[in-house]
Amino acid sequence: KQEVTQIPAALSVPEGENLVLNCSFTDSAIYNLQWFRQDPGKGLTSLLLIQSSQREQTSGRLNASLDKSSGRSTLYIAASQPGDSATYLCAALIYNQGGKLIFGQGTELSVKP
Amino acid sequence: GAGVSQSPRYKVAKRGQDVALRCDPISGHVSLFWYQQALGQGPEFLTYFQNEAQLDKSGLPSDRFFAERPEGSVSTLKIQRTQQEDSAVYLCASSSFPGAPYEQYFGPGTRLTVT
Repeated sequence: KQEVTQIPAALSVPEGENLVLNCSFTDSAIYNLQWFRQDPGKGLTSLLLIQSSQREQTSGRLNASLDKSSGRSTLYIAASQPGDSATYLCAALIYNQGGKLIFGQGTELSVKP
Repeated sequence: GAGVSQSPRYKVAKRGQDVALRCDPISGHVSLFWYQQALGQGPEFLTYFQNEAQLDKSGLPSDRFFAERPEGSVSTLKIQRTQQEDSAVYLCASSSFPGAPYEQYFGPGTRLTVT
């Protein structure tokens, strides 16, 4: 059974710092891995999607990497800003289970001005 | 449509009442998913439709939960005889799956509070 874990559960950093959020999964037979942002009381906003054949994806100040052999993905945020404060969720797509996503519990990020 | 929409955004139900939650997916998306998110947790899969066919309902927590998508577009999640443990945010997502790239797009969610 696929399990997805995110560490740390919460993170507080001063503005301007570069930071890394970690995501690990137990079954390497994933099709892709998706990173989401969730603001309080809101739905999920897709940030980056990495196909299993890819090793990383970049969008602006965000960079996500995927290492299937070690069961890990990281989300790197450069030059953090207070507006980056939110909960970040990673999710693995299990292809042979109808494309459903298995989510981690999230990392709650707070960027202090 | 421009995105996935859900209604109502908030629902308060007395214990024992029935509720119906609606999801309008992105136009043309074949697949539709329902997830349940408890406070402070990541979303958990409930059920999955491909067009009008419900292909996976393994995540539905009890037989009080029922979902349908009769015309392969709008979907309704119904909860009968609500209990306090049903209080959560219910998220709907749509995707082009099984067509690539399988990215799921989420609606704003319905926050259900059972009193």
